[in-house]
Amino acid sequence: EVQLLESGGGLVQPGGSLRLSCAASGFTFSSYSMMWVRQAPGKGLEWVSSFSVSGNKYYADSVKGRFSISRDNSENTLFLQMDSLRADDSAFYYCAKGLAPRRGIDYWGQGALVTVSS
Amino acid sequence: QSALTQPASVSGSPGQSITISCTGTSSDVGAYNYVSWYQQFPGKAPKLIIYDVSNRPSGVSDRFSGSKSGNTASLTISGLQAEDESDYYCSSYGRGPSYVFGTGTKVTVL
Repeated sequence: EVQLLESGGGLVQPGGSLRLSCAASGFTFSSYSMMWVRQAPGKGLEWVSSFSVSGNKYYADSVKGRFSISRDNSENTLFLQMDSLRADDSAFYYCAKGLAPRRGIDYWGQGALVTVSS
Repeated sequence: QSALTQPASVSGSPGQSITISCTGTSSDVGAYNYVSWYQQFPGKAPKLIIYDVSNRPSGVSDRFSGSKSGNTASLTISGLQAEDESDYYCSSYGRGPSYVFGTGTKVTVL
């Protein structure tokens, strides 16, 4: 059974940093692209970043230069380093497994809440 | 990337069929057959119900079907049931590369 478990969410002040982790199990982690998708409370879904099997990293314009995605295939873990956080970064952050290159998401974690507020 | 456009709400009576549209551009929906649909209940993570425009994952009811014409994709729910009341989001692969989601549609069963 595929499981994705996010951790590291919490309350942070504007301009601060936070690192999210996603522990994956139930599939061959290194064989799939992984991504982060966020959802502000009561709002829609927004793709944040992807990490391909070949090692390429992609970011939404809204987070480019502030967020950094990484993965540790030996530990089956995905990370999202978030710097220079702003109030509009407040959201549930979902870790997600790619179905196949370009073909969307087949499994989602339960989400980690990030709140940026003073 | 701008969000794909979906109607804010769609409603229907039990047993009816409803269709949710998802309009993008020639850079996303129109360019690739990589449209997905997700069902999301309040407080829960999204669940994949359609991928590659019209394919259903194992275990998803065949009452859900997808299609695409030009820059617009559609999700049809046939034989609407109370348990289908939920939020639905489309998504498409786009240039960049990137992924873009729809604005979301709330389905209400009357």
